Amino acid sequence: EVQLLESGGGWVQPGGSLRLSCAASGFAFSSYVMNWVRQAPGKGLEWVSSISGRGDSTYYADSVKGRFTISRDNSKNTVYLQMNSLRAEDTAVYYCAKGQRSTGTTRFDPWGQGTLVTVSS
Amino acid sequence: EIVLTQSPGTLSLSPGERATLSCRASQSVSDSYLAWYQQKPGQAPRLLIYVASSRATGIPDRFSGSGSGTDFTLTISRLEPEDFAVYYCQQYGNSPLTFGGGTQVEIK
Repeated sequence: EVQLLESGGGWVQPGGSLRLSCAASGFAFSSYVMNWVRQAPGKGLEWVSSISGRGDSTYYADSVKGRFTISRDNSKNTVYLQMNSLRAEDTAVYYCAKGQRSTGTTRFDPWGQGTLVTVSS
Repeated sequence: EIVLTQSPGTLSLSPGERATLSCRASQSVSDSYLAWYQQKPGQAPRLLIYVASSRATGIPDRFSGSGSGTDFTLTISRLEPEDFAVYYCQQYGNSPLTFGGGTQVEIK
């Protein structure tokens, strides 16, 4: 069974940093794109970032480009999202989601349970 | 960027009724790479449909998807109590990946 477990969320002041982790199990981790998607309180879904199976290609939404960095450690079956220069509008539940191939754009299935990031003074 | 517009915003129906949800794209979705997700309160989204019309593993056959190009539809043939939720469409044929704003299916 595929499992994705996010961690690292919490409260941070504007301008601060946070690193999210997503530990994966139940599949050949290095063979799949991994993704981060967020959902602000009471709002819809927003794709944030994706990384190829080998980690050699990364993609970002314009809203986070230059501030967030996605990475992965295939030896630990874990994907990370380093978030710097955080803003109030980054407040959201952040979901980790598995892609369906090793590279390129894919659908998301399954999703982790999410971790809440709150940016506030 | 492909903008996805979902309608209606809210659908009020009774159990047993048919639900028809629309997702319209601002430009053609490559290879019909259009997915539908269901999200219940406090839960992560769940994949229902991919490539416009293929049901994901374990999804009941009362859920069906159709469409191509810029117009897509999710149909729930007979609503069960557990189907009342928010539904999102997503295109994954072009970067950036984008989602529609969602349709809430509520009990009438």
